[in-house]
Amino acid sequence: GQNIDQPTEMTATEGAIVQINCTYQTSGFNGLFWYQQHAGEAPTFLSYNVLDGLEEKGRFSSFLSRSKGYSYLLLKELQMKDSASYLCAVRDSGAGSYQLTFGKGTKLSVIP
Amino acid sequence: DAGVTQSPTHLIKTRGQQVTLRCSPKSGHDTVSWYQQALGQGPQFIFQYYEEEERQRGNFPDRFSGHQFPNYSSELNVNALLLGDSALYLCASSLRGGGSNQPQHFGDGTRLSIL
Repeated sequence: GQNIDQPTEMTATEGAIVQINCTYQTSGFNGLFWYQQHAGEAPTFLSYNVLDGLEEKGRFSSFLSRSKGYSYLLLKELQMKDSASYLCAVRDSGAGSYQLTFGKGTKLSVIP
Repeated sequence: DAGVTQSPTHLIKTRGQQVTLRCSPKSGHDTVSWYQQALGQGPQFIFQYYEEEERQRGNFPDRFSGHQFPNYSSELNVNALLLGDSALYLCASSLRGGGSNQPQHFGDGTRLSIL
């Protein structure tokens, strides 16, 4: 089975840095994705990790530790438009498996 | 480059009715997955279609069925609707064989309300 945990809500100040954690317990692992979802909109892809370490993409970075079943998304220089839900998703292992299992999402509120 | 499109945007049905939702994948994609997202929850995997066949299925009853057409577009059908089926239904497309790092691209979803 799959179990993915994220904090329900977080609040951070404009211009600051925020780290959103994700822990997972899965029967198989073939990569971890982070998606951003604004209210009423589609999830949009942010990052992908399959090997341990840090992936950096502009203001967004994502880290993975497979041995610990742990990932985080780091958002720098926060902007008001970063207020959204952030979804952590794990892909199953196994040939041809493309199923994503999502956490419940972390609602981030950026305040002035 | 058209992204994933879904129709309709919103739909209201009553208990016991049947509904069909539609999805056109992103240009160049051949695989379609369907997800159900309840309010305040993450998306839950329903099933995935590739080469017009259901390849994987999540923990959803047989009331949920689907179809994929030769042009890769897809339909999600739900029979005998229950109040608990009220949710946002998301379609996501991807390219099978495009590499494990290829993300799924989501449409804006269909908001289904059951009265």
